[in-house]
Amino acid sequence: AQSVTQLGSHVSVSEGALVLLRCNYSSSVPPYLFWYVQYPNQGLQLLLKYTSAATLVKGINGFEAEFKKSETSFHLTKPSAHMSDAAEYFCAVASFGNEKLTFGTGTRLTIIP
Amino acid sequence: EAQVTQNPRYLITVTGKKLTVTCSQNMNHEYMSWYRQDPGLGLRQIYYSMNVEVTDKGDVPEGYKVSRKEKRNFPLILESPSPNQTSLYFCASSPTGAKQPQHFGDGTRLSIL
Repeated sequence: AQSVTQLGSHVSVSEGALVLLRCNYSSSVPPYLFWYVQYPNQGLQLLLKYTSAATLVKGINGFEAEFKKSETSFHLTKPSAHMSDAAEYFCAVASFGNEKLTFGTGTRLTIIP
Repeated sequence: EAQVTQNPRYLITVTGKKLTVTCSQNMNHEYMSWYRQDPGLGLRQIYYSMNVEVTDKGDVPEGYKVSRKEKRNFPLILESPSPNQTSLYFCASSPTGAKQPQHFGDGTRLSIL
């Protein structure tokens, strides 16, 4: 069964600094990978998705993620953090063979003024 | 406006009293799913449905039931709720499956005393 590991349940960065949120997956076949964001008291919104068309995926709000098969990683980055980026971020994976969607445990991002 | 609507948004109830959380989508999506979100555990899939009358277990189905009699509706039923089912619940839908971005509802916070 596929699984997703998000390293760091809490990440703090200064406003204007690089944001790096880590996600590693385990899957025996190329997966479908997603990053979602959850703002306080809201549901989840899609940030970006990987579907094998390109290894570097650009999403909304200036975020991007790079798929690295050799490292089984799909880390999320943003060059310059903004106060509005404070939220919880979830990595998720769907694999061939079933229609389950597996989420990581989430990373709460705090932006320091 | 495309949306997934959950009701109620908040509910406090007692152990053993049957309850239903409704979920409705207006996007003609075939795939619908329920998740529970708990601190430190991320989102875990409870049940999903590929189409009318087609449902399947996710990773944490124990204590829950679902039905899919109409394409737009996917209610979550707790026939005998217990305190360990106190959680934040999300319904989501997508056009055809888990490999496509999910559209989430705003969540239902259940407290079972």
